[in-house]
Amino acid sequence: GNSVTQMEGPVTLSEEAFLTINCTYTATGYPSLFWYVQYPGEGLQLLLKATKADDKGSNKGFEATYRKETTSFHLEKGSVQVSDSAVYFCALSDYAGGTSYGKLTFGQGTILTVHP
Amino acid sequence: DGGITQSPKYLFRKEGQNVTLSCEQNLNHDAMYWYRQDPGQGLRLIYYSQIVNDFQKGDIAEGYSVSREKKESFPLTVTSAQKNPTAFYLCASSTDLLSYEQYFGPGTRLTVT
Repeated sequence: GNSVTQMEGPVTLSEEAFLTINCTYTATGYPSLFWYVQYPGEGLQLLLKATKADDKGSNKGFEATYRKETTSFHLEKGSVQVSDSAVYFCALSDYAGGTSYGKLTFGQGTILTVHP
Repeated sequence: DGGITQSPKYLFRKEGQNVTLSCEQNLNHDAMYWYRQDPGQGLRLIYYSQIVNDFQKGDIAEGYSVSREKKESFPLTVTSAQKNPTAFYLCASSTDLLSYEQYFGPGTRLTVT
């Protein structure tokens, strides 16, 4: 079956530091890949997405590239801010395996805390 | 503004009681979903619905029930049969089941004691 594995957290950084959150996946078909962000006490928001190999998703200074050869979709940001403190979820959507819809499979989430 | 509302934000119940969580959307989306979130875990799908009067079990449907009488509403009932009901519950919607981009509500934190 499909699965998503994220790096263990929590991740603690100082403001303006470089961020990388690793994400690798296992899928039977040709998945689309996503990063969602969850701010404290809120629901999830789509941060960025990539629908095919070598696509790069980007939003709000965050980037991730769909690497089929390494089955990875690592999230990066060059200079984090205190306001980026949140939980980040990697996810994939795949129609394979007999599903009738693009079922989302989530990683366990990575907590990011950015200090001033 | 279009979006998804869930109410209440916090809900407390005694063990053995059924409780219904509300989810309303004004995005005109056909598909709606319920997820459960536990600390240190990703989201797990409880139920999903493609259209009015139709819904399907997700990965962890036992102890839960849903209805879809209106396009904009998809309430979730946590029954007394659910062994570990305390969790954060998230409702989501998408234009249809073929759309992989889901929009999430703010969530309801249910505590059962």
